Amino acid sequence: EDQVTQSPEALRLQEGESSSLNCSYTVSGLRGLFWYRQDPGKGPEFLFTLYSAGEEKEKERLKATLTKKESFLHITAPKPEDSATYLCAVVGSGGSNYKLTFGKGTLLTVNP
Amino acid sequence: GAGVSQSPSNKVTEKGKDVELRCDPISGHTALYWYRQSLGQGLEFLIYFQGNSAPDKSGLPSDRFSAERTGGSVSTLTIQRTQQEDSAVYLCASSLVGGRGDTQYFGPGTRLTVL
Repeated sequence: EDQVTQSPEALRLQEGESSSLNCSYTVSGLRGLFWYRQDPGKGPEFLFTLYSAGEEKEKERLKATLTKKESFLHITAPKPEDSATYLCAVVGSGGSNYKLTFGKGTLLTVNP
Repeated sequence: GAGVSQSPSNKVTEKGKDVELRCDPISGHTALYWYRQSLGQGLEFLIYFQGNSAPDKSGLPSDRFSAERTGGSVSTLTIQRTQQEDSAVYLCASSLVGGRGDTQYFGPGTRLTVL
């Protein structure tokens, strides 16, 4: 069974204070690891897909990296508008290679 | 372009009533998914539609839940005889082909409250 664990559960940063969110996973044959951002009362917004260890992707102040056991979402010089819940999910190559298995998310708060 | 849309955005119902939730996927996407997000829980998979193939209903929590997809586009999730534990946000997603790790794009969700 695929499993995803995100840490920390909550993170409070000052504006400009860089940090990283962790996503540890176990999956039978990784098909893709996904990062989403979710604002209160809204659906998850797609950020990145990573497919293989060593892969990195960047978007503005965010950078996602992937190893064989975990992924990191690095946030450089965050702004208050980066405050949200960040969700990590995986799809494995088991019986159903389309089901997203989600972690419980990291609630990020960036104070001005 | 237009994203995934869902209606209603909020639904309050009484225990025992039936409810229907609607999802319009992104145009051209052949795969459609329903997930549920409960307080304190992560998102959990409910059902998957891909083209004309039989849907994967393995995530539906009980036989009170059913879903259909008409014409390969719009989908309706029906919950019969609602219970208080059905209260959650129901999220619909779509993707281009389904499987092989293609990206799923989510709608805004329907918040269901069962009194």
